[in-house]
Amino acid sequence: QSVLTQPPSASETPGQRVTITCSGSSSNIGINTVSWYQQVPGTAPRLLIYSDDQRPSGIPDRFSGSRSGTSASLAISGLQSEDEADYFCAVWDDSLNGHWVFGGGTKLTVL
Amino acid sequence: EVQLLEAGGGLVQPGGSLRLSCAASGFTFSTYAMTWVRQAPGKGLEWVSSITASGGSTSYADSVKGRFTISRDNSKNTLYVQMDSLRAEDTAVYYCAKFPNWNYKYQGMDVWGQGTTVTVSS
Repeated sequence: QSVLTQPPSASETPGQRVTITCSGSSSNIGINTVSWYQQVPGTAPRLLIYSDDQRPSGIPDRFSGSRSGTSASLAISGLQSEDEADYFCAVWDDSLNGHWVFGGGTKLTVL
Repeated sequence: EVQLLEAGGGLVQPGGSLRLSCAASGFTFSTYAMTWVRQAPGKGLEWVSSITASGGSTSYADSVKGRFTISRDNSKNTLYVQMDSLRAEDTAVYYCAKFPNWNYKYQGMDVWGQGTTVTVSS
């Protein structure tokens, strides 16, 4: 059971927009910024979004992130077939001695 | 180009030990915090351990505390994790990743290696 809660799956047709949520608590998302990662099966995770809403160079502006309260969201617009992957959120949790926590992951299917 | 290359994975019996390494290139290794993250077969990502740029501070997940030891050799641009008393539940792909600054808190990992597979089985 992950500390951060994500829907296990999402699906949408090409060209449409999909939003993936990540729900946490006051010790993690409530006070720290969120990162999002994309993982195509069989490959390493890739950073998509950092500091809630910032995109690294090379990440298309179709990907956007936001954070409010104890939840964060990743939105993907203009869906493409290559967006089919697993998506994970991550955040530093200040509880106990502090540690990193990940969401359980959302498998995105582009129909 | 920033690159991280893990090595050292393999098959080990329960109770055994293994040391993973992660060779870094394309950036000034000694100025960035590093971390190990693992992924059990068919499962999500699980943070294992992190270390500051200097190596002066480390942090561990409860699931590995007392069994795993993270370290780095900045003269060799290499990150390590010594894994002792291995259990079946430690079976996973182990990724090393870098942070965007000297500290492992607050800002997420920005570059990941391709991973090395550890299988704990008799």
